[in-house]
Amino acid sequence: DTAVSQTPKYLVTQMGNDKSIKCEQNLGHDTMYWYKQDSKKFLKIMFSYNNKELIINETVPNRFSPKSPDKAHLNLHINSLELGDSAVYFCASSALQGNGYTFGSGTRLTVV
Amino acid sequence: QKEVEQNSGPLSVPEGAIASLNCTYSDRGSQSFFWYRQYSGKSPELIMSIYSNGDKEDGRFTAQLNKASQYVSLLIRDSQPSDSATYLCAVNRGTDKLIFGTGTRLQVFP
Repeated sequence: DTAVSQTPKYLVTQMGNDKSIKCEQNLGHDTMYWYKQDSKKFLKIMFSYNNKELIINETVPNRFSPKSPDKAHLNLHINSLELGDSAVYFCASSALQGNGYTFGSGTRLTVV
Repeated sequence: QKEVEQNSGPLSVPEGAIASLNCTYSDRGSQSFFWYRQYSGKSPELIMSIYSNGDKEDGRFTAQLNKASQYVSLLIRDSQPSDSATYLCAVNRGTDKLIFGTGTRLQVFP
């Protein structure tokens, strides 16, 4: 059983398109996150939700909009995709503040 | 100054040797510390967590924390080629997010 699952695994799209990435966790965790990993492997937090409530919103362009319909799901919608959005996007979850995360398998987004 | 700093490597060690990976952090209020292993093309996997000063051992892995020096390290004993990966240090400052270093690439050669 996959603990944190993301879809799709790969996404290739043209500039200007709108796309969504979905994440689901079956660990019963209260907190979920979106991280972006760039080509130099740097992982940077984008958003965090705790039990459907947005608690962290880092300096991210407004084109990125997260949504959490329930505490087991966290989606990321991206409008007007740009070349610089190309990266691997990881979903993660944690049980308690200060605990380590469990990461999903990642979505490799390529904007052409 | 980056919040979490690691030497990018690669750190090359022979099979059977001890690999020593280091990490420094800038925020003295940091409370919990983690080491993740990330194989190429895969997601980060939590291998060690440490919350108080001193050493914590788990199998071949030992995490060391020195809050006074703002320093965390990971020792891998009896290194194996399968340990070749990027090791990410992560720090929690008491907020609900982890700050990651850029990782150290470890290469274990037979």
